[in-house]
Amino acid sequence: EAGVTQFPSHSVIEKGQTVTLRCDPISGHDNLYWYRRVMGKEIKFLLHFVKESKQDESGMPNNRFLAERTGGTYSTLKVQPAELEDSGVYFCASSPKRLSTDTQYFGPGTRLTVL
Amino acid sequence: DAKTTQPPSMDCAEGRAANLPCNHSTISGNEYVYWYRQIHSQGPQYIIHGLKNNETNEMASLIITEDRKSSTLILPHATLRDTAVYYCIVRVGGTYKYIFGTGTRLKVLA
Repeated sequence: EAGVTQFPSHSVIEKGQTVTLRCDPISGHDNLYWYRRVMGKEIKFLLHFVKESKQDESGMPNNRFLAERTGGTYSTLKVQPAELEDSGVYFCASSPKRLSTDTQYFGPGTRLTVL
Repeated sequence: DAKTTQPPSMDCAEGRAANLPCNHSTISGNEYVYWYRQIHSQGPQYIIHGLKNNETNEMASLIITEDRKSSTLILPHATLRDTAVYYCIVRVGGTYKYIFGTGTRLKVLA
């Protein structure tokens, strides 16, 4: 069974540009999550999808970030326009069931560098 | 949200038990404790989780104090491949949201 995949693995952009990160969850997983770790800080929750619906987006830092999950399969996270403080590693995770004790399976992350 | 506190680093001799502590003194009654680890350039990998009782699986044991304010992850026979950053996580009650600690960098020494 393939794990969670993320694309690209690395992205280097200039301040003010737009970047779109993609996450493909494990097949059949209804729940999809985005997290990120910015320099020197803990990994922090951004948002949670159940299928195509946003269940919890309490961690989204501001309106420059837009997450979508059309069709309830893969998800994209767009940053527009990117700022220097957006640099970090963005992780995607998925879990199969609508149970609170679900464990989340993480992808390898996308390292974003904003110059 | 509950916060976790972990020592930044620990060393352990290969073959010995590694005991990684975590403080979560503000945890609520319905919040689970999870442990994940991250090996260089990979995503966090699930190890174990628990609510009140001690738990054991093929990877590790989780000991949670009776007041639930702290826990210890035990790797019974550490190997060099267990060198990683270990995260103690609280899952916010009623949600799927993980609150990560800063992690403990465990180095297993030959």
